[in-house]
Amino acid sequence: QQQVRQSPQSLTVWEGETAILNCSYENSAFDYFPWYQQFPGEGPALLISILSVSDKKEDGRFTIFFNKREKKLSLHIADSQPGDSATYFCAASAPGGNYKPTFGKGTSLVVHP
Amino acid sequence: DPKIIQKPKYLVAVTGSEKILICEQYLGHNAMYWYRQSAKKPLEFMFSYSYQKLMDNQTASSRFQPQSSKKNHLDLQITALKPDDSATYFCASSQDEGRGTEVFFGKGTRLTVV
Repeated sequence: QQQVRQSPQSLTVWEGETAILNCSYENSAFDYFPWYQQFPGEGPALLISILSVSDKKEDGRFTIFFNKREKKLSLHIADSQPGDSATYFCAASAPGGNYKPTFGKGTSLVVHP
Repeated sequence: DPKIIQKPKYLVAVTGSEKILICEQYLGHNAMYWYRQSAKKPLEFMFSYSYQKLMDNQTASSRFQPQSSKKNHLDLQITALKPDDSATYFCASSQDEGRGTEVFFGKGTRLTVV
C-alpha cells in the first residue's frame, strides 16, 4: 500500500518556468511533510518542510502548498533553473515515536535551458 | 568534505554471501539511520539508533543487522544475500531523533547481488 503518492513521475520544464510537483497521502495522522532533493549519485537532502497547521511555506524559490482536507500538497519551484534538475521526494511522518518518514516514489525534474 | 562517509560506494556480492556496509558520521549527531532505495520501491526506512541504542527496526528480516561500535559508527551487516537485496543503502544521521530535526544522508552504497 502506497501511503504517499507523487505525480507526475517525471516533469520537464523550461528555464524560468514554474515547476509544480504533487503529493498526496492517505494517513490522516501524518502532520509533518519534508521534501527532499536528490541528485544522481548523492543521497537525498532536505529542501523544505511544512507542518499540517500551515497551508503554505516559502523558502526562496521553493513553496509548499498544503491542503489538509484533501490530503494533498504540492511543491512549486519558481523560476526553475537547470541546476534544479533532480529527483524530488515528498515524505510524511506522524507525531510521536521515532523519526521514520514514509517517502513517495519521487518526481524526476528536468529543467531545460 | 563529506560528513557522512559510506564504504564501499559500489559492492557486488554473490547470492548467499555476507557483506558489511560501513558508515561513519562526523557531524556530532546522536541519531543514525539506515535507509534502502531500489528501483521497485521508494526510499524505505530500515533502522534508527540513538546514542548507540536501537530505537526502531522496520526490517522484517533478521538477515539485516546494524552494528554500532562507536557513537558515530553504524555499520550494516547483511547475511545470506539475495538478489532482491540489490539496492542503494543510505546511512543518515540527525542531531537527535526528533521529528523536525533535519536528517542528513550519505551518498549511499550501491549493492548488487548476483
